[in-house]
Amino acid sequence: AQSVAQPEDQVKVAEGNPLTVKCTYSVSGNPYLFWYVQYPNRGLQFLLKYITGDNLVKGSYGFEAEFNKSQTSFHLKKPSALVSDSALYFCAVRDLYSGNTPLVFGKGTRLSVIA
Amino acid sequence: AAGVIQSPRHLIKEKRETATLKCYPIPRHDTVYWYQQGPGQDPQFLISFYEKMQSDKGSIPDRFSAQQFSDYHSELNMSSLELGDSALYFCASLDRGKNTEAFFGQGTRLTVV
Repeated sequence: AQSVAQPEDQVKVAEGNPLTVKCTYSVSGNPYLFWYVQYPNRGLQFLLKYITGDNLVKGSYGFEAEFNKSQTSFHLKKPSALVSDSALYFCAVRDLYSGNTPLVFGKGTRLSVIA
Repeated sequence: AAGVIQSPRHLIKEKRETATLKCYPIPRHDTVYWYQQGPGQDPQFLISFYEKMQSDKGSIPDRFSAQQFSDYHSELNMSSLELGDSALYFCASLDRGKNTEAFFGQGTRLTVV
């Protein structure tokens, strides 16, 4: 079974500062990792994903994430935060080769970027 | 590009009533997921379909059922509604063959009063 942990319920950063939203995962096979963002009363929007290859993946809106196999982590990062980045961020994982397994989400981290 | 369409966007029902939520996946996507998101909570997996067959089951109550039709749209049927069923219900689709990410609909907000 797979699981995701997002250790921080909330992250606050000042506009223009770098941000990191943490995620660790557990999966029995090969991980297929995702970050999604959710704005109030909206659906989940895909930001980026990792399947294989370069450990640093780049996504939408200037976000990137670093896959670290030894630490089983997939932290979301952005060099310079914007107020408009304030939202709820979800890390998700599924087993890449284990059939049609569902996406399992972390509990979410609320990012607040302060002007 | 076409996205995942869910209807209705909002639904208000009374306790013990029934509700039907609809999902129209992205064309040619072979997999549909249903999730329930309570207030301030992460999305919880309910059920999934692959090529119109149920493929996995999560924390879906026995009062709920779902199916996928020949045109690939899916419906989540909810009976004997309880106050605790009030939540945002998401449908997502993906192309399993191409190993795409899941694309989510805007959700249906169900309020049980």
